[in-house]
Amino acid sequence: DQQVKQNSPSLSVQEGRISILNCDYTNSMFDYFLWYKKYPAEGPTFLISISSIKDKNEDGRFTVFLNKSAKHLSLHIVPSQPGDSAVYFCAASSFQGAQKLVFGQGTRLTINP
Amino acid sequence: GAVVSQHPSWVICKSGTSVKIECRSLDFQATTMFWYRQFPKQSLMLMATSNEGSKATYEQGVEKDKFLINHASLTLSTLTVTSAHPEDSSFYICSARGSYGYTFGSGTRLTVV
Repeated sequence: DQQVKQNSPSLSVQEGRISILNCDYTNSMFDYFLWYKKYPAEGPTFLISISSIKDKNEDGRFTVFLNKSAKHLSLHIVPSQPGDSAVYFCAASSFQGAQKLVFGQGTRLTINP
Repeated sequence: GAVVSQHPSWVICKSGTSVKIECRSLDFQATTMFWYRQFPKQSLMLMATSNEGSKATYEQGVEKDKFLINHASLTLSTLTVTSAHPEDSSFYICSARGSYGYTFGSGTRLTVV
């Protein structure tokens, strides 16, 4: 049972444009969401997070939007830069219990010059 | 910022031998450590959650006698893959939760030949 889903395995965007990565979840107990960037053979690097009490969080070029009713979140990167090319994982957790992270399958983002 | 040091970064071992992977939180105390494994082009799958001084909690389908986890201090957790087999070849990543949130190690590429 995939509780966190990233339905797009890959995304290609032109440099300077907006990149939008999507993530859906099924577990209504999730109340904390994170986005990570990952290069091959390296651990994930934290990008941005959002708790369920908010619907938007912004940090520089990165903005995360949360739609609780749709159980959907998205990461917007604008403007996209070549260095943004990587695999992006969304993850979800609950402030209750073990607070373990459940990851989506990842989306490979390629920024074309 | 919070840093988690994971060693070794890669290891090749013979089938039937055991391999130990270490994760240290360098500048914070990690009350909880998580261990993940990632197969090529797949998501990070949580294997187990460990709290300092107590037994690890394993996810369904993960053999606790094969993947031994020790969390003897607030800064060190180890994962030992016992009697490794080629199907255990994977990328293993630890994550520590402290006041900063979740911090990931750089990962260990295990190849069993």
